[in-house]
Amino acid sequence: QVQLQESGPGLVKPSETLSLTCAVSGYSISSGYYWGWIRQPPGRGLEWIGTIYHGVNTYYNPSLKSRVTISVDTSKNHFSLKLSSVTAADTAIYYCARQTGSWYNFDYWGQGTLATVSS
Amino acid sequence: QTVVTQEPSFSVSPGGTVTLTCGLNSGSVSTSNYPSWYQQTPGQAPRTLIYSTNIRSSGVPDRLSGSILGNTAALTITGAQADDESDYYCVLYMGSGIWVFGGGTKLTVL
Repeated sequence: QVQLQESGPGLVKPSETLSLTCAVSGYSISSGYYWGWIRQPPGRGLEWIGTIYHGVNTYYNPSLKSRVTISVDTSKNHFSLKLSSVTAADTAIYYCARQTGSWYNFDYWGQGTLATVSS
Repeated sequence: QTVVTQEPSFSVSPGGTVTLTCGLNSGSVSTSNYPSWYQQTPGQAPRTLIYSTNIRSSGVPDRLSGSILGNTAALTITGAQADDESDYYCVLYMGSGIWVFGGGTKLTVL
């Protein structure tokens, strides 16, 4: 059974960089699939942040592209999100998910982690 | 800018049928957008319902179905039950490694 688990600091100061990690179990990241990040501000809808494929091909939401970096660590079987220059608008639950390349859907999701931007 | 449109809210009676739609602010939705649908209840992560327009995810009952209706993707729920009361999100693949979520539909069963 594929499982994903997000982790990272729950509180980030404005202008700093938010760093989150998604640990994957039950499947080897290096074996394929796309791996993505999605966020949901409190009380609002879901927003795709970005996706990584084969550890090197990255795709980012154009509205966030200048501030986002997604990377993979195959030795630890996890992938990471860095979002720079955060503001209160970046406060959200952040989800990681596995994405299929055949049908472009999100098939497995983590439980999500709340990241709050506040001084 | 690509905007994926969904009804903000919808209401259905128990046992009734409801169709939620997923459109584009510019152009039509087609199977090439690989529409997928997700259900989210409060405090929970989204759950995959339908992918590639009309393929049900494992464990999803056949009273839920996906289709293309006119120029939108659609999720139809027949025989609505109390536990269908949730938020529903569609996602479209726009090509070139870009995915766009709709704003979500809050479905009430009453």
